[in-house]
Amino acid sequence: DAGVIQSPRHEVTEMGQEVTLRCKPISGHDYLFWYRQTMMRGLELLIYFNNNVPIDDSGMPEDRFSAKMPNASFSTLKIQPSEPRDSAVYFCASRGRDSNQPQHFGDGTRLSIL
Amino acid sequence: GENVEQHPSTLSVQEGDSAVIKCTYSDSASNYFPWYKQELGKRPQLIIDIRSNVGEKKDQRIAVTLNKTAKHFSLHITETQPEDSAVYFCAARSSGSARQLTFGSGTQLTVLP
Repeated sequence: DAGVIQSPRHEVTEMGQEVTLRCKPISGHDYLFWYRQTMMRGLELLIYFNNNVPIDDSGMPEDRFSAKMPNASFSTLKIQPSEPRDSAVYFCASRGRDSNQPQHFGDGTRLSIL
Repeated sequence: GENVEQHPSTLSVQEGDSAVIKCTYSDSASNYFPWYKQELGKRPQLIIDIRSNVGEKKDQRIAVTLNKTAKHFSLHITETQPEDSAVYFCAARSSGSARQLTFGSGTQLTVLP
């Protein structure tokens, strides 16, 4: 298996622009997680899905952030409009149905908002 | 919700020495405790995990211990090597309705040659 695949790896854009991050989970995994990592706040869970349904989005910082999972093999995280404080590394992770299985992370998207 | 605290935030050891990183958690219902290693610019990768029905688990130079009564768990790395240098994260997951992991703040381990 190729693992969790994220794109793009790097994104640099100007504030106010819409940013879309993409994730393909490991095939067969029922859970998908979006995290944000910064030096100040560490790894923060933004939202997670179970069988394509958002379960807990309490970590989404504000309405500018939205996430979708239209099918079992694809998820997006959108920021609109983007702000410089959104600059961070965004990780996607997936996990199988068994709650004792580990989460597997993608390589992340390094986002810089100028 | 769950709260995980991790110490120390930075740790430097001489090559060949042991390193210990400690975490405490707040939710007594937590039953799964993974440890992730993150090298600079890379993804977090699982290195070892432990479930609440065991007290210790070893994998070569890495071991994790769990004390459910005290609600703390630790990562032990023996015979450290320069390639062990990375940020290590502990995490905990409750057996309740929540399915997500709560991560510690990370420990930057530096192994000096």
